[in-house]
Amino acid sequence: DAGVTQSPTHLIKTRGQHVTLRCSPISGHKSVSWYQQVLGQGPQFIFQYYEKEERGRGNFPDRFSARQFPNYSSELNVNALLLGDSALYLCASSPSVFSGNTIYFGEGSWLTVV
Amino acid sequence: AQSVTQLGSHVSVSEGALVLLRCNYSSSVPPYLFWYVQYPNQGLQLLLKYTSAATLVKGINGFEAEFKKSETSFHLTKPSAHMRDAAEYFCAVSEEAGGTSYGKLTFGQGTILTVHP
Repeated sequence: DAGVTQSPTHLIKTRGQHVTLRCSPISGHKSVSWYQQVLGQGPQFIFQYYEKEERGRGNFPDRFSARQFPNYSSELNVNALLLGDSALYLCASSPSVFSGNTIYFGEGSWLTVV
Repeated sequence: AQSVTQLGSHVSVSEGALVLLRCNYSSSVPPYLFWYVQYPNQGLQLLLKYTSAATLVKGINGFEAEFKKSETSFHLTKPSAHMRDAAEYFCAVSEEAGGTSYGKLTFGQGTILTVHP
């Protein structure tokens, strides 16, 4: 079975541009979360979506937004990119929002802002 | 608010030696605890999780962790290190928020494990 898939795997953007990252969860999983991992740090929670509704939001500015589609795939959008947005963006899926669920991660999208 | 502290950003062991990676958590309610491993340029892979069943949890690749409520700890161990264990390890906590299932993970800063021949 396919795991969590993310695209693109690597991308380079210029400051001020916009980026869209995509994620397909494991088949049957209805919850998708996004995390930002800056080099040398642990992942930081950005968003969680369940059944197409936002269920949680981390401490990130409004430049970050996301949505979940009827097929449970998800997009993360970041506007007005800053150099500090350079990071590995991880998508994760789980069957539901139960805190004890195993959360499965994709390989990530490496974003470099220049 | 929940938080995780991993003691030691770098741990170095010899092949065949005991691996001990330390994790302490702060949580206002009984937590769910996880250990993930991240190999270079890859995503996170679950090693094991604690969900209030047995306090000693066995995971993949010979790793195990023991939940100690009195010490608010969830240290990761492996009796004998292999070269392939070299990676970065993250401890994470998940808890109910305001009585609502949440599923958000809060991670520690990570511990890089180096294994010497």
